[in-house]
Amino acid sequence: AQSVAQPEDQVNVAEGNPLTVKCTYSVSGNPYLFWYVQYPNRGLQFLLKYITGDNLVKGSYGFEAEFNKSQTSFHLKKPSALVSDSALYFCVGTNRDDKIIFGKGTRLHILP
Amino acid sequence: NAGVTQTPKFRVLKTGQSMTLLCAQDMNHEYMYWYRQDPGMGLRLIHYSVGEGTTAKGEVPDGYNVSRLKKQNFLLGLESAAPSQTSVYFCASSYPSSTYEQYFGPGTRLTVT
Repeated sequence: AQSVAQPEDQVNVAEGNPLTVKCTYSVSGNPYLFWYVQYPNRGLQFLLKYITGDNLVKGSYGFEAEFNKSQTSFHLKKPSALVSDSALYFCVGTNRDDKIIFGKGTRLHILP
Repeated sequence: NAGVTQTPKFRVLKTGQSMTLLCAQDMNHEYMYWYRQDPGMGLRLIHYSVGEGTTAKGEVPDGYNVSRLKKQNFLLGLESAAPSQTSVYFCASSYPSSTYEQYFGPGTRLTVT
């Protein structure tokens, strides 16, 4: 069965420090991977996607993610965290022919 | 351009009552989806539609019905609400060529007592 795992329920980072939100996947064939962000009392917003090509993809708000096929990971990163980055982050995977699978979400707290 | 809107924002129901959640999008998207979000479980797909007049079951369809009479609207119905249906419900829409890039509404918080 296909799956997307986010091993951390919560990540705390000091403002200005680099941040990483982890995601691993199990998707047959060529994976399509995405990150969404959910701010309090809002719907999900699309951040970035990996379909093919460069392993490092850049998205909105200064976020980027690195696709690592050997480790089946797609970690979300940002060089310098802002307090406004505090939100719930979802990793999403699919292989185009199958249903989209959401990870359980990781709550990111940026400490001032 | 309002994007995806949902009505109502909040609702409290008693067990056994019925209600309909309305989703509307003005982006001319073919595909529309209903999800529920529960703590620690991410989003789970209830039903979806690939076009006007068509609907299909998702991961957790039991207890819900849907209709897509117009391209821009997708209705989610609860015929006899149960406490297990207490959740936050999200509607989303997308183009057929990029079903993974979905646009979400702000959500409806439903409590069933």
